[in-house]
Amino acid sequence: GQQVMQIPQYQHVQEGEDFTTYCNSSTTLSNIQWYKQRPGGHPVFLIQLVKSGEVKKQKRLTFQFGEAKKNSSLHITATQTTDVGTYFCAKYSGGGADGLTFGKGTHLIIQP
Amino acid sequence: DAGVTQSPTHLIKTRGQQVTLRCSPKSGHDTVSWYQQALGQGPQFIFQYYEEEERQRGNFPDRFSGHQFPNYSSELNVNALLLGDSALYLCASTRTAGGANVLTFGAGSRLTVL
Repeated sequence: GQQVMQIPQYQHVQEGEDFTTYCNSSTTLSNIQWYKQRPGGHPVFLIQLVKSGEVKKQKRLTFQFGEAKKNSSLHITATQTTDVGTYFCAKYSGGGADGLTFGKGTHLIIQP
Repeated sequence: DAGVTQSPTHLIKTRGQQVTLRCSPKSGHDTVSWYQQALGQGPQFIFQYYEEEERQRGNFPDRFSGHQFPNYSSELNVNALLLGDSALYLCASTRTAGGANVLTFGAGSRLTVL
């Protein structure tokens, strides 16, 4: 089925370094959502992007939606230990009355 | 304002048994979805319930069934358990009216099949 591909699968960074995860789709997306899952926790909604070329910021997090609406990225500036976890992008297959398709996630590991 | 609550939090079953997992959606939400998350993987959509009916289903066999009650709570049933059913089962709720499609997840039920 239609999937979203996330890279990298794992990312080790030193605390204070920046981090970026990328999400790619072979088809045009109506929107893209990002979730964060802490170790042992459950996914928590971060943001939804809808418009082509959209950029949204949440403190140290910057989310982008590509011009062609086929890719998205999440960038974290100056990582902190609280950023540890897995970041998932997710898309809806159809018109809303359906389930989210999640990527496999990028596991962020921070070394103090 | 209670979020999504799931029970039980952990359970252990043996192959061939049946299991029922329960979910109460966030206050004000009317739509419940269930996801299966294997270790190290992203959640996979099982099905969604709205107005007590299954509205959409992912690529899961008929051994997986569900129900939604008039108070919007939901159950997930899995029959004839297989070792591969071991996973974290996540319930997520949303409010369909107004086109809201942001999911609020519960803490999950971790199922181990021996």
